[in-house]
Amino acid sequence: DQQVKQNSPSLSVQEGRISILNCDYTNSMFDYFLWYKKYPAEGPTFLISISSIKDKNEDGRFTVFLNKSAKHLSLHIVPSQPGDSAVYFCAASAGAGGVSFGNEKLTFGTGTRLTIIP
Amino acid sequence: DAGVIQSPRHEVTEMGQEVTLRCKPISGHNSLFWYRQTMMRGLELLIYFNNNVPIDDSGMPEDRFSAKMPNASFSTLKIQPSEPRDSAVYFCASSPGLADTYANTGELFFGEGSRLTVL
Repeated sequence: DQQVKQNSPSLSVQEGRISILNCDYTNSMFDYFLWYKKYPAEGPTFLISISSIKDKNEDGRFTVFLNKSAKHLSLHIVPSQPGDSAVYFCAASAGAGGVSFGNEKLTFGTGTRLTIIP
Repeated sequence: DAGVIQSPRHEVTEMGQEVTLRCKPISGHNSLFWYRQTMMRGLELLIYFNNNVPIDDSGMPEDRFSAKMPNASFSTLKIQPSEPRDSAVYFCASSPGLADTYANTGELFFGEGSRLTVL
């Protein structure tokens, strides 16, 4: 049973335009959400995160939006650059993000392959 | 600073053989995780340790899989006997694992992975 879902396996976006990656979750206990980026033959690297007490977090070109009522989050990249081409994983945890009791178990989605077209 | 180090990077073996994957976490990190990546299921958590103690192994597929963490700087994931369906990329990750502190963001630091092919 996939608790974190990324329904789009791939996405192609023109360079300079906005990329929007979506993620849905089913577990209402999740209170912290992260996005990871993965290049081929490398491990995933942390990109941006958001706590459930917020609905938006911004870091440069990257913004994550959280809609708790819909159990949905999205990652916006603007403007998109060729170096953004990678697989993006959405992840969620319960009890992390400043209120942890040592439980940092992350549940990941299946990933979305983003291709930026020059 | 050295990141998480995994070995081997690639392993090709025949069905029935024993496979051992190794991981050295980032020094000072208290939590260690083993994940498996497949196309169908993405990144699945197999097991994680906190202070060398297994906390949750509910993701370990079956008894053919076992993991150990004999000390803070080393962990192994063993598959015996291996089967073709075990073919995947196995990632080790570590995190500071500081309980009850605001330093814990839940961020994991991943190694480069071990690509396993079982023929």
